[in-house]
Amino acid sequence: DAGITQSPRHKVTETGTPVTLRCHQTENHRYMYWYRQDPGHGLRLIHYSYGVKDTDKGEVSDGYSVSRSKTEDFLLTLESATSSQTSVYFCAISDVVGDTGELFFGEGSRLTVL
Amino acid sequence: AQKITQTQPGMFVQEKEAVTLDCTYDTSDQSYGLFWYKQPSSGEMIFLIYQGSYDEQNATEGRYSLNFQKARKSANLVISASQLGDSAMYFCAMREANTGFQKLVFGTGTRLLVSP
Repeated sequence: DAGITQSPRHKVTETGTPVTLRCHQTENHRYMYWYRQDPGHGLRLIHYSYGVKDTDKGEVSDGYSVSRSKTEDFLLTLESATSSQTSVYFCAISDVVGDTGELFFGEGSRLTVL
Repeated sequence: AQKITQTQPGMFVQEKEAVTLDCTYDTSDQSYGLFWYKQPSSGEMIFLIYQGSYDEQNATEGRYSLNFQKARKSANLVISASQLGDSAMYFCAMREANTGFQKLVFGTGTRLLVSP
């Protein structure tokens, strides 16, 4: 299994509070991603990183920011959580492995915003 | 914009039978990749199979095969000899043109239930 650790795995917070989710990898993969999973929507890309301090927006980036100060860590921050951000968040990593490179996912972090 | 459509919210199959999970896609790219992932009730995402747009043969991985029909823009997953452990959500996904990234666009998923 790919060495990806997400923390926290479960969090309940209140509307308006800041939340940071951490993704840590031990694979030295270049690319890291944050997805959210919601019923009826599958997984949607929030932000991704293609190197230290290199990040870009995905499909549903509003209300989220990210940072990557080290190869192994990718942080997702909700500056002011809203109930619409209640979701399961998945971190994923990949490397350039020919044409069939796949995404390796973390175990997910379930966030509930009350 | 790329789009993945999975029209079957749920599928039922008896153990040892084959089942086909449908996936259609829409893209203007000539080069793209198609993936299937399995998500059991425990929540993790498990990679099953990959098909490149230029691959002439359908991909196979054990009991999984991908029925790739490029002209129809379909990438159906076929599971042969279903097992109880195959009960899970299945997601079809597509990657943009080769950039080194794996920015996947996912479908909404199909829940498969395998009965004894």
